[in-house]
Amino acid sequence: AQSVTQPDIHITVSEGASLELRCNYSYGATPYLFWYVQSPGQGLQLLLKYFSGDTLVQGIKGFEAEFKRSQSSFNLRKPSVHWSDAAEYFCAVATNTGNQFYFGTGTSLTVIP
Amino acid sequence: DAGVIQSPRHEVTEMGQEVTLRCKPISGHDYLFWYRQTMMRGLELLIYFNNNVPIDDSGMPEDRFSAKMPNASFSTLKIQPSEPRDSAVYFCASSPTGRKTQYFGPGTRLLVL
Repeated sequence: AQSVTQPDIHITVSEGASLELRCNYSYGATPYLFWYVQSPGQGLQLLLKYFSGDTLVQGIKGFEAEFKRSQSSFNLRKPSVHWSDAAEYFCAVATNTGNQFYFGTGTSLTVIP
Repeated sequence: DAGVIQSPRHEVTEMGQEVTLRCKPISGHDYLFWYRQTMMRGLELLIYFNNNVPIDDSGMPEDRFSAKMPNASFSTLKIQPSEPRDSAVYFCASSPTGRKTQYFGPGTRLLVL
């Protein structure tokens, strides 16, 4: 069965520091992978996605993610975090046979001055 | 593009009352998804439609929940009768065929007293 694991429930980083949010998936074939961000009281906004090709994908707001098949991972990174990046981040996987998403439980990011 | 539109944004009702949540997907999108988000269970897929036809409603928690999509531009999620444990944020998302990516609405915050 497909599943997504975000092992970090909550992360705190200082403004200007680098960030890496972890995501591991379980799926037998090549997945479609996504990162979404949810600011307080808001809906989910797509940050970036991986379908195929270059395993390092660039997204909005300076985020990037790297697909590593050997590790079944799709970690999200940002070289320098801004206070406005404080939010909940969700990793999701879609299979190549359906349109359902399987979401992780989310990682809450706090940014301290 | 106006994005996915949901109404109402906030709903407060009393236990036993009927609640109707509404969603207008992005024009041209063939898939529509209803999700529920709670602190305890995270994001749960309730039901999704393709070309106005329900494809998978296995996530609908019980018979009190029903969803319809009478046309390509409108869907409803109804709870009758509502219970306090239904309090959550309900999201609608839409997706174009073959694109996999889901676009989320702002959500409806439901509080059942």
